[in-house]
Amino acid sequence: NAGVTQTPKFQVLKTGQSMTLQCAQDMNHNSMYWYRQDPGMGLRLIYYSASEGTTDKGEVPNGYNVSRLNKREFSLRLESAAPSQTSVYFCASSVRVALGYTFGSGTRLTVV
Amino acid sequence: QQPVQSPQAVILREGEDAVINCSSSKALYSVHWYRQKHGEAPVFLMILLKGGEQKGHDKISASFNEKKQQSSLYLTASQLSYSGTYFCGTENGSSNTGKLIFGQGTTLQVKP
Repeated sequence: NAGVTQTPKFQVLKTGQSMTLQCAQDMNHNSMYWYRQDPGMGLRLIYYSASEGTTDKGEVPNGYNVSRLNKREFSLRLESAAPSQTSVYFCASSVRVALGYTFGSGTRLTVV
Repeated sequence: QQPVQSPQAVILREGEDAVINCSSSKALYSVHWYRQKHGEAPVFLMILLKGGEQKGHDKISASFNEKKQQSSLYLTASQLSYSGTYFCGTENGSSNTGKLIFGQGTTLQVKP
């Protein structure tokens, strides 16, 4: 039972490059989320998907796009990376909110 | 709007108690509590729904005061394994949307 799998675990990008962070869950959860975590800032919601086929902006969506490819997969794309996007990115999923989120192990992204 | 956690950090000896508070300026539907150990993903502890309930498991419990828009996490007879950063996540409004806004975190260190 893998839970929530994120790839890659580490990535270094140059300013202006693009990349896609992948997230997949095998728990048949309906809702999926992307957060970024910066020191002293807690976890900030970038985008979320309440169900397959729907996506919505969170607190800090600028500079990001998402795709809910199917029920299992929810990807996050940086079209033109900036140093301000250096962060640890967490994907999470939930079947019912009352059961809490299950988080992936994170992607540590550095933009130079 | 991000909930405010207090204190920002606390150091305890094994066996001592701690309280972590989470306050919001908006009406809350639910409050989640998570613990994150260094370099790992956050792990779900519990959820409290509006109605002022109190929950707990083992020696960790929490309360939710809907009128004050506050929640508190109680850690009693702390163990070394309780060390980590604790986050509250709040769900605003009147419906169960699943979208959480997290506080900035409280770092707890338990010493032998």
